[in-house]
This record gives sequence, structure tokens and C-alpha cells, in this order.
Amino acid sequence: DAGVIQSPRHEVTEMGQEVTLRCKPISGHDYLFWYRQTMMRGLELLIYFNNNVPIDDSGMPEDRFSAKMPNASFSTLKIQPSEPRDSAVYFCASSSADDRSEAFFGQGTRLTVV
Amino acid sequence: KQEVTQIPAALSVPEGENLVLNCSFTDSAIYNLQWFRQDPGKGLTSLLLIQSSQREQTSGRLNASLDKSSGRSTLYIAASQPGDSATYLCAVKAAGNKLTFGGGTRVLVKP
Repeated sequence: DAGVIQSPRHEVTEMGQEVTLRCKPISGHDYLFWYRQTMMRGLELLIYFNNNVPIDDSGMPEDRFSAKMPNASFSTLKIQPSEPRDSAVYFCASSSADDRSEAFFGQGTRLTVV
Repeated sequence: KQEVTQIPAALSVPEGENLVLNCSFTDSAIYNLQWFRQDPGKGLTSLLLIQSSQREQTSGRLNASLDKSSGRSTLYIAASQPGDSATYLCAVKAAGNKLTFGGGTRVLVKP
């Protein structure tokens, strides 16, 4: 397996524009997580899915953020409208259902909102 | 709410010295603890995974210990090399398969 795949790797957009980040988890993994990393706050869990169903979105900062998982092999994180304070690295991770399982992370999407 | 702390936030050592990185967590009801490495501008690479029933895990020059009752884990890196320079993050997995991360320790190994 190629691991967790995120796209794009880098995104620069203007304030007010819609941004869509994409993630393909490892095949067979039941859990998918979206994290945001900033210098000030470190790695924060935004939302996670189990079998394509959102389980906990309490980390989503505002209604401008939304995430979907239409099938087991694809998820999106959308920001609309984007703001400069959304600039961060967004990571997607996946793991199997086993409580003892390891989490695997994608390479991240570096988002810059100007 | 689980809180994970890593001290120190930064560490600088001469090449060859052993590294000791600390991680503490407030809720001992964890499934496992994972140590990651992150190079600047890169993603997270998993180094070691310790299950809650284990006391330690080893991989090459890396050794991680876990004391669940006291809420502590330590990552030891023997005979450090300049290539070990990176940020090291610990994360604990608890109910819901969620990972909670510490703030990381930024390590610099000077040649």
C-alpha cells in the first residue's frame, strides 16, 4: 500500500476562497482522522470518522470547516470561506479498528491563506 | 480530558551523546502510546508503538519505556547522530481510537 495519500501538498489561496483538501486512507482502515498543526497550538484533532461516519467533530473550529467521507477510500476537508488564520499544515491519518493498532499519517497539506 | 506534555520543548546535544525525551499524560486509561519523528516541512513518521500492557519497545538505537500508572513514557536514543535532528512527538491513544499529541521536543544533534 502507498500509505495515506493527501492532495494537494501545498495550497495558496486568497482570503474568502473555498479550499478543499483531499485524503485517501490506507485500504482496509476503518478510522480516518483530520489534524491541523500550527506553531502555536501543535497538532489538534479536528474530526474523525469510523466506517465513513463522522464520530467526533468537536475539534472543528468553526462552521466554515466541514468534512465528508463519501466512501471508504476518500475524504475531504473543506474550508469556506477561508481566512488567513486557517493557514496551517493539515494532516490526514488512518488506522484499523483494533484498539492496539498504529496510526499512519499522510505527508500533509500546507495551506497558506493570503 | 487527556493532556499530553513533552519536556523539554527543545534539546541540543553533541554527537554521540544519548538522548532522553520525556512524555507525560494525565489519563492512564490508554490503549497505546506512539512516538513519531517529524522533519521540518514533512509528515509524521512512526518510530515506536507501545501497547498499554507493555513496559518497553526497542528498535535499533531507539528504546521507549512506558509507565502507565504514573502516566509517563521516555524515548531513549543511543549514540545520537546529526541525522537524529528532528522534532519528536508522542501521542496516546484512548477511547474512540483518538490520538492526543504532546507539543513535541525539537532535537538538535551537533556534529
